[in-house]
Amino acid sequence: SQTIHQWPATLVQPVGSPLSLECTVEGTSNPNLYWYRQAAGRGLQLLFYSVGIGQISSEVPQNLSASRPQDRQFILSSKKLLLSDSGFYLCAWTNTGTRIGYTFGSGTRLTVV
Amino acid sequence: KNQVEQSPQSLIILEGKNCTLQCNYTVSPFSNLRWYKQDTGRGPVSLTIMTFSENTKSNGRYTATLDADTKQSSLHITASQLSDSASYICVVSAYVKLTFGTGTRLTIIP
Repeated sequence: SQTIHQWPATLVQPVGSPLSLECTVEGTSNPNLYWYRQAAGRGLQLLFYSVGIGQISSEVPQNLSASRPQDRQFILSSKKLLLSDSGFYLCAWTNTGTRIGYTFGSGTRLTVV
Repeated sequence: KNQVEQSPQSLIILEGKNCTLQCNYTVSPFSNLRWYKQDTGRGPVSLTIMTFSENTKSNGRYTATLDADTKQSSLHITASQLSDSASYICVVSAYVKLTFGTGTRLTIIP
């Protein structure tokens, strides 16, 4: 069965520090991978998606970047965090062309102080 | 512009009662519509997924309907339980991309 792992679960970082959130998927190959951010009381906002290794599409201009060094690994990064980067970050995957619903990771609560 | 609107924004009902959540969308081209349940501080969990040709889908006490002509969907919860307290999110897919509703916050009180 397919599983998605996301870590860490919570993170408190000072302004200006770097960020690295990791997401891995098991039990499937060539998944579509996604990073979302959910601000308090708001809907999910798509940040990045990837349909293959090294292929990253950015949805909104921001202080963040994403990379996909391996087929089932998706990394969200920042060189210098801003206060506005605080939020709940979710990784998700799906397989194109199947009826498998998007499966989300358990999320990372990031607080920038 | 692709949009998904959900109503009501929040809802409080007594345990054991039924409720219906609404989702209207303007997403094109339409691939499928999904309902998710999201507990506070957790990732969303899929409840149902429907394609254009499906107009109803059940998952236990959850029943989703889809009217592709009017671009409306509903999620009906039967005999609510305290554990149903969560945010319910309607998500419409156009190929690779998803458009999320802002969710309905459902609170079940004993």
